Amino acid sequence: AQSVSQHNHHVILSEAASLELGCNYSYGGTVNLFWYVQYPGQHLQLLLKYFSGDPLVKGIKGFEAEFIKSKFSFNLRKPSVQWSDTAEYFCAVNALSGANNLFFGTGTRLTVIP
Amino acid sequence: GAVVSQHPSWVICKSGTSVKIECRSLDFQATTMFWYRQFPKQSLMLMATSNEGSKATYEQGVEKDKFLINHASLTLSTLTVTSAHPEDSSFYICSARDVMNTGELFFGEGSRLTVL
Repeated sequence: AQSVSQHNHHVILSEAASLELGCNYSYGGTVNLFWYVQYPGQHLQLLLKYFSGDPLVKGIKGFEAEFIKSKFSFNLRKPSVQWSDTAEYFCAVNALSGANNLFFGTGTRLTVIP
Repeated sequence: GAVVSQHPSWVICKSGTSVKIECRSLDFQATTMFWYRQFPKQSLMLMATSNEGSKATYEQGVEKDKFLINHASLTLSTLTVTSAHPEDSSFYICSARDVMNTGELFFGEGSRLTVL
């Protein structure tokens, strides 16, 4: 069965610090990869996605993620966080040969201190 | 981006009653919709996959007679929590994939159910 692991449950950073959130998945086939963000009181929004091509994907609000196939990882990065980045971040995987639904990680809560 | 709307966003009901939650794709057609449940401080757990015009596919451990799903049109799926109990209190989220099936899901705002 597929699984998605986000090892950081809660990350606290000061503004302007760099961010990297880990995401690992367990599936040997072809996958689509996503990062979603849930701001307080709001619904899930797509940050970025990887389907194919350049493994370094750039998303909205200065976020990027790198797909490393050999490590089954899709870590999310941002060089300089802002207070407004405080939110819950979810990594998700869609196995193309499977049931074609998304499997989510447990999420990482990011708190940015002004 | 595409818009998915859920209604109601917040509902409180008495134990034993049934509650219906609607999920609509407002500007695209969705052959497939997904229903998730999110517990506090936890991730989204897929409950079922709803396919237009056919029976929903439930994940293991989800009672299909308790969580009735209907996907009668390409823009509407409904989740009915029957004979609700306090342990059914949760945040229910739907998502929809457009007919182009690119793999991207669009999420509704979620519906918070509180069963007294």
